Amino acid sequence: GDSVTQMEGPVTLSEEAFLTINCTYTATGYPSLFWYVQYPGEGLQLLLKATKADDKGSNKGFEATYRKETTSFHLEKGSVQVSDSAVYFCALNPRGNDMRFGAGTRLTVKP
Amino acid sequence: EAQVTQNPRYLITVTGKKLTVTCSQNMNHEYMSWYRQDPGLGLRQIYYSMNVEVTDKGDVPEGYKVSRKEKRNFPLILESPSPNQTSLYFCASSLSGLADEQFFGPGTRLTVL
Repeated sequence: GDSVTQMEGPVTLSEEAFLTINCTYTATGYPSLFWYVQYPGEGLQLLLKATKADDKGSNKGFEATYRKETTSFHLEKGSVQVSDSAVYFCALNPRGNDMRFGAGTRLTVKP
Repeated sequence: EAQVTQNPRYLITVTGKKLTVTCSQNMNHEYMSWYRQDPGLGLRQIYYSMNVEVTDKGDVPEGYKVSRKEKRNFPLILESPSPNQTSLYFCASSLSGLADEQFFGPGTRLTVL
């Protein structure tokens, strides 16, 4: 069935380091792909999305490119800040009312 | 301020005691969902509603009920809670469906003893 697999955490980086969080998916057709972020004690917030192959979503310095050939949607940021510490979820909307979330990757950025 | 509110934020209860978690949104969104978040499993959809009086099951609906009598409200009902329903619950809303941005409430942490 449709599913999302993202890299296990936790991930710990120093401030200004480069971030990659891997996400791959399994789905038929042309799903929409999302990255959501959850800050401590809060609900999830949409970080970025892409709706078709080769689309690049970007927001707050984060980027992810929808790669249909590798079924991937990896999240990247060139220089992380302490305020980026959060849990990041890759998610997939394969069709209609179906939504699949990855298990989440906890990122901690140290000064 | 555009927001999704949930109450209560924390709840400890005992097996079999009926409870309701309320959810309300002020963005005039058509679509609302309930999720549960468990460690290592991400979020899983419990129920969703495409509009008033239209609800349907998600991936893990067993032991839950919902209703959508008004556009803004989407309560989650546990008629007879069990310990395996101990979890963190999120309500979310979006303009018209899951391809749109979902706005999440702050969460309700439920413990069933």
